[in-house]
Amino acid sequence: QVQLQESGPGLVKPSETLSLSCTVSGYSISSGYYWGWIRQPPGKGLEYIASIYESGTTYCNPSLKSRVTISLDTSKNRFSLKLTSVTAADTAVYYCARHYAKYGSGRSDYFDYWGQGTLVTVSS
Amino acid sequence: SYVLTQPPSVSVAPGQTARITCGGNNIGTKSVHWYQQKPGQAPLLVVYDDSGRPSGIPERVSGSNSGNTATLTISGVEAGDEADYYCQVWDSNNDHPVFGGGTKLTAL
Repeated sequence: QVQLQESGPGLVKPSETLSLSCTVSGYSISSGYYWGWIRQPPGKGLEYIASIYESGTTYCNPSLKSRVTISLDTSKNRFSLKLTSVTAADTAVYYCARHYAKYGSGRSDYFDYWGQGTLVTVSS
Repeated sequence: SYVLTQPPSVSVAPGQTARITCGGNNIGTKSVHWYQQKPGQAPLLVVYDDSGRPSGIPERVSGSNSGNTATLTISGVEAGDEADYYCQVWDSNNDHPVFGGGTKLTAL
């Protein structure tokens, strides 16, 4: 059973860096999937942030790309997100998820396992 | 960025069929995936690749995709189906997934 668990500070000051980790159990992050982050501002919809593959290949939402760093730590079976220069608009529940990608005549990418989410509030 | 358009809300009587649409330019050429999200919970994948059902998702949940509209259909709606539903595709021009704005399903 694949399980994901987010961890990190629940409160970040404006202009500082948001740092989150996602620990995966029941599956090795070196075994052929992407691993991603999605967020959801309070009362709003889902927004894709970024994903990373074991090879280091990454995808990122263009609107966040200049502020996002995503990384893998295979020794601890976890991956991490850093978002710099945060503002109140970055206040959201942050989810980590396993990102399935299929290549064929067209791409098929979806998120089949999700963490429970962690609320990060940006406030002084 | 590729835009997915969903109605904000859909209401049906229990036992009836709910159809939630997801509009996008030539979306029929893309693989569409659907997520169910109940209050305070993480999203749950309920349909992948237009009409595939993950293990544990009942047969009364189905999907279709053609032209400019993908549809999630839930037959015999129950109170437990009340949730927000999101469609999602891969934006091939910008190389990242995109989500629709979500639809709140209410069983009247």
